[in-house]
Amino acid sequence: DAGITQSPRHKVTETGTPVTLRCHQTENHRYMYWYRQDPGHGLRLIHYSYGVKDTDKGEVSDGYSVSRSKTEDFLLTLESATSSQTSVYFCAISVGQDTDTQYFGPGTRLTVL
Amino acid sequence: AQSVTQPDIHITVSEGASLELRCNYSYGATPYLFWYVQSPGQGLQLLLKYFSGDTLVQGIKGFEAEFKRSQSSFNLRKPSVHWSDAAEYFCAVGVRGYQKVTFGIGTKLQVIP
Repeated sequence: DAGITQSPRHKVTETGTPVTLRCHQTENHRYMYWYRQDPGHGLRLIHYSYGVKDTDKGEVSDGYSVSRSKTEDFLLTLESATSSQTSVYFCAISVGQDTDTQYFGPGTRLTVL
Repeated sequence: AQSVTQPDIHITVSEGASLELRCNYSYGATPYLFWYVQSPGQGLQLLLKYFSGDTLVQGIKGFEAEFKRSQSSFNLRKPSVHWSDAAEYFCAVGVRGYQKVTFGIGTKLQVIP
């Protein structure tokens, strides 16, 4: 257990509404990541963070923004949700000296109607 | 950029039979390699990882994987599959210092009695 929680775990929203997903870790790890998982695509990196207020884009960042004002929290925001953003979203952290080894949260299932 | 190929989307094996899941990667130098397992509705759990040294890596739940540089492969094996091994398996590749990994699309394992 890497001490990662995600909230909410499930959300249904309508097209055009803003949505914020939260990832919380308890162990002050520097690197945090947001992925989306879709059938046939595996996991694709949306954004990641390498410290407070330090973030960078992944391969599928369009339509998403992130913020990290505290070490323990990494927020993913869909400014105006679209049906193509219906997915399962996973947060991950890199741990210790093996900073390429990622550990995952339980996921958030988001449905955009 | 690195990439990962998992050529088998679905595999069905009988309980008690041996298992091999294939993973091929593309990267010029020695990569970091990972296998994760995902049970339905769950997050991803790290099975094993290869960074350097012995090319045969032991993981949790009785799994092992072998790094073969000449074949650019990192196949996952288990000598005797249990019904509880039914899940989706993801291979991933990382690069030293890059702090990001690339995932394959996954292989879904079905175990029949």
